[in-house]
Amino acid sequence: GENVEQHPSTLSVQEGDSAVIKCTYSDSASNYFPWYKQELGKGPQLIIDIRSNVGEKKDQRIAVTLNKTAKHFSLHITETQPEDSAVYFCAARWGGGGNKLTFGTGTQLKVEL
Amino acid sequence: GAGVSQSPSNKVTEKGKDVELRCDPISGHTALYWYRQSLGQGLEFLIYFQGNSAPDKSGLPSDRFSAERTGGSVSTLTIQRTQQEDSAVYLCASSPERGSSYNEQFFGPGTRLTVL
Repeated sequence: GENVEQHPSTLSVQEGDSAVIKCTYSDSASNYFPWYKQELGKGPQLIIDIRSNVGEKKDQRIAVTLNKTAKHFSLHITETQPEDSAVYFCAARWGGGGNKLTFGTGTQLKVEL
Repeated sequence: GAGVSQSPSNKVTEKGKDVELRCDPISGHTALYWYRQSLGQGLEFLIYFQGNSAPDKSGLPSDRFSAERTGGSVSTLTIQRTQQEDSAVYLCASSPERGSSYNEQFFGPGTRLTVL
């Protein structure tokens, strides 16, 4: 099966700075890598995703990079704002598992004023 | 439009009791997933329904856990003889079979289960 590791578990940045969260995966057949944001008391919400045939994808202040050779992918948030404070999860879709996802253990991001 | 809904939002039960958790997916979504989120942990896959295919039950932690999906819509996750280690937030997600959002899983707010 798939194993996903995520670092760091907590991240504190000053407003306006950048934040980077990194994940590694084990199954070389994985082909889809979403990032979810979870606010307190709510379910996770997709913020950006990338497929294995793409190396980088950007959406306004958020970008994701994928290195298939090294089997790692990263989330980059620029110009962080207080509303970016939340728990972020990376995930990988197992190559042989339909559309089910294996999630990382999450990163608690705190953006300080 | 309406998102994924789950009920109850909170459930407190005594060890040994059975519980049922309900999920109403987004209308028209053919795939439905259950995950478990323990305190400070990531989401653990439990079970996956896709259309009329046999469900993928590979994530269910024991035979005390079961799930059904009636009429291709509403799903119920049942935990029999609950144990304290079953305490967690149970999340349901659904996704469409096709279209631009094919890959995205839309999550409900979860049911927080506490087993005393």
